[in-house]
Parts: sequence; C-alpha cells; structure tokens
Amino acid sequence: DAGVIQSPRHEVTEMGQEVTLRCKPISGHNSLFWYRQTMMRGLELLIYFNNNVPIDDSGMPEDRFSAKMPNASFSTLKIQPSEPRDSAVYFCASSNAVGSNQPQHFGDGTRLSIL
Amino acid sequence: KNQVEQSPQSLIILEGKNCTLQCNYTVSPFSNLRWYKQDTGRGPVSLTIMTFSENTKSNGRYTATLDADTKQSSLHITASQLSDSASYICVVSAATQAGTALIFGKGTTLSVSS
Repeated sequence: DAGVIQSPRHEVTEMGQEVTLRCKPISGHNSLFWYRQTMMRGLELLIYFNNNVPIDDSGMPEDRFSAKMPNASFSTLKIQPSEPRDSAVYFCASSNAVGSNQPQHFGDGTRLSIL
Repeated sequence: KNQVEQSPQSLIILEGKNCTLQCNYTVSPFSNLRWYKQDTGRGPVSLTIMTFSENTKSNGRYTATLDADTKQSSLHITASQLSDSASYICVVSAATQAGTALIFGKGTTLSVSS
C-alpha cells in the first residue's frame, strides 16, 4: 500500500510568495495532521483534521497559515505571504483515529526554504 | 505546563552495543506515550505506543518501558546496528476537553559507528 504522499519534496521560493504544500493520506485513515520541524523547536503540531473537519488549529503560528481538507484523500497547507522564518520541513501524517492507540503514519515531508 | 524532556540530546555508540534513551514527561491527563524513529531526510516511523496500564512493549530489538508513577519512559536498543543511527522522538498524548494534545520531546540523536 502507498504511504502518505507529500508534494513537493523540496520548495525554494522568495519571501512574499504564496506556498502550497500538498498531502494525500493513506486510504481509509480518517485523521490527518500537519507538522513543522526545525532544529530549534523540533516537531510541532500545526493542525489536525478528523473526518475532513479541522479539530485543533491552535498550533498554526499566524493567520498567514491556512489548511484545508476538501475530501478524505487530499489536504493542503498554504502560507501566504511566506517569510524566511517559515523555512522548515513540513510533515503530513494520517491515522485511523486521533486519540487512539493507532500509530500515525508520516510522509517524507516537504523541505521549504524561503529566501 | 505539559512538557516532554529527552536525554541525552545525542549519543554515539559502537555497533553491537546496547543503549537506553530516556523520556521524562509532565503531561496531564496522560493518554499514551509513543516512541518514533526518524531517519535523516525521512518522516518519523512509529516504534511503540503505550497506554497507562502498559509498562513494557517490544518491537524487535527495541523495548520501551513506561513508569506512569514517576512519569518516565525509556527506549532500550539491543545489539545496535548501523541502521539504528537516527533521531528518536518521544511523544506524549493528553486527552483534554478540547481534544487530544500531542506534546513532543526534542529527540535524541543516536549515531552507531563500526
């Protein structure tokens, strides 16, 4: 089975530009998570969805960040306008349930560099 | 304040040796504790998940322990291999009124050398 698929793998863009990161969760999973990872702060949860509905977006750093899940097989994380401090690796993960003992399956991430 | 502290920050061991990584947490109300392995350039991969009532769980050469009284967990790696070189992340889930909160440690970077 295919795992969580993220695109693009790498993105380099200039500050002020809009950035859209994409995620396809594992088929059948009903929870989807967006994370950001940096050397300084480690892994941080940005937002998670359950059955396509955003449940907790308290980790979204600013209004410049937005996430959508229009259907069970696709989600986007958008940054507009982007800033150099947004440079990080962004991971998407999916699981069968949020608080359960089911593991989260991570994609390989999008490495974002804002110049 | 909910926190997860991991130690050591980094560790270097020789191939074939055992090692133990530590995770101390102050998270309430506790739901479960997870250990992840993250290879360079890849996403984290789940190793073990333990609930309050479990004090040991194994996954091959990886054995996690949990002491809910002292709020400590350890990950023991037996007969290390070069492929064990990675970051190991401890994550504690708290079941809050607002939903599930995930609190992450900053990880331990393990290097296994030949």
